[in-house]
Amino acid sequence: DIQMTQSPSSLSASVGDRVTITCRASQSIRSYLNWYQQKPGEAPKLLIYVASNLQSGVPSRFSGSGSGTDFTLTISSLQREDFVTYYCQQSYSAPRTFGQGTKLEIK
Amino acid sequence: QVTLRESGPALVKPTQTLTLTCTFSGFSLNTSGLCVSWIRQPPGKALEWLARIDWDDAEYYSASLETRLTISTDTSKNQVVLTMTNMDPADTATYYCAREMVTVLDIWGQGTMVTVSS
Repeated sequence: DIQMTQSPSSLSASVGDRVTITCRASQSIRSYLNWYQQKPGEAPKLLIYVASNLQSGVPSRFSGSGSGTDFTLTISSLQREDFVTYYCQQSYSAPRTFGQGTKLEIK
Repeated sequence: QVTLRESGPALVKPTQTLTLTCTFSGFSLNTSGLCVSWIRQPPGKALEWLARIDWDDAEYYSASLETRLTISTDTSKNQVVLTMTNMDPADTATYYCAREMVTVLDIWGQGTMVTVSS
């Protein structure tokens, strides 16, 4: 299986900050990397697919980049509703695998 | 409008078999490129991918759970069924089904919480 490692596992920031979350794959996954946002008590929601494509309806302050084994999710200016949990997921091969999640907390 | 909804028992006893049903609408699993996956999330923990069934009936499983899982579909009823044998308290989690379209889990169900306890 391809292992996905996210860092950091938690991040403390303020409204308006720019933050970056990193996801590393145990082998090359080309650009087959997706990012999901999960609010408490809700199902995950797709944010970015194939490394850098913004899902319809997702604010433009979210962006993704990377290829091969190293990927990033950047939020350019944090809003209050962004302080939730984010997961990366590889879709290069089955079985699919998720990172362990990054929880954004208000400083 | 694409929707998915999970259903199944809220409580199962250790060693029992869990059967979950994902009932979907707005798409057909006969369409090339479409799949349905199951994912779970223990309380306070990360997402864990479990299994997937594709439009061509191909099946894929988590390596660590493969011996306990079976995924199947009833296309006439627009349902995907996941069975997990030999349930353990460590399997307590919210179980989600989701549509996978061209490698992306784009639509998720609301999830169903399953507790394993005697």
